[in-house]
Amino acid sequence: EVQLLESGGGLVQPGGSLRLSCAASGFTFSSYAMSWVRQAPGKGLEWVSAISGSGGSTYYADSVKGRFTISRDNSKNTLYLQMNSLRAEDTAVYYCAKDLGYCTGGVCYTYYFDYWGQGTLVTVSS
Amino acid sequence: DIQLTQSPSFLSASVGDRVTITCRASQGISSYLAWYQQKPGKAPKLLIYAASTLQSGVPSRFSGSGSGTEFTLTISSLQPEDFATYYCQQLNSYPPTFGQGTKVEIK
Repeated sequence: EVQLLESGGGLVQPGGSLRLSCAASGFTFSSYAMSWVRQAPGKGLEWVSAISGSGGSTYYADSVKGRFTISRDNSKNTLYLQMNSLRAEDTAVYYCAKDLGYCTGGVCYTYYFDYWGQGTLVTVSS
Repeated sequence: DIQLTQSPSFLSASVGDRVTITCRASQGISSYLAWYQQKPGKAPKLLIYAASTLQSGVPSRFSGSGSGTEFTLTISSLQPEDFATYYCQQLNSYPPTFGQGTKVEIK
């Protein structure tokens, strides 16, 4: 059974830092791209960042580029999100999400998310 | 970024009703669209990908259609467990984006 378990959320002051972790199990972690998706209180979903299965390629939303860093440790089956220079607008539940690994016609497409963690709340406030 | 606009934003329906939610893209996205269901306090759940492919384990009362700029999610006979918020998401163009959501509530 696929399981994704986030941790590391909490209350942080503006300008502060936080590191989120997502422990994965039940699948071959290194074979799948992973993403972080966030949801501000009462709002919709926003994709934040993605990383390839090998960790060699990373992608960021403009809203977090230069402040957040995604990484993974395939030996530990764990995904990370280092968040620096946090702002009030970063307040959200952060979900880690596994890529479906959808391939058709010899081409594989990232960003269909077939499993999600339970989420971890990050609150940026003084 | 591609904008996805869902309609309606709110829908009141009864058990057994046929429900249709529309998602319109600001530019063509071929068939690179997914639908998710989210219940309060829970993570989203993938229902449909590639516009019309039912994710494993999802009941067959859910179906998706469309291509280009207009897509629909249909629930053929609404069940009590289907009351939730539904989101569309595109991945044709980077970055991936989501619609604003459609909340389906009990009439």
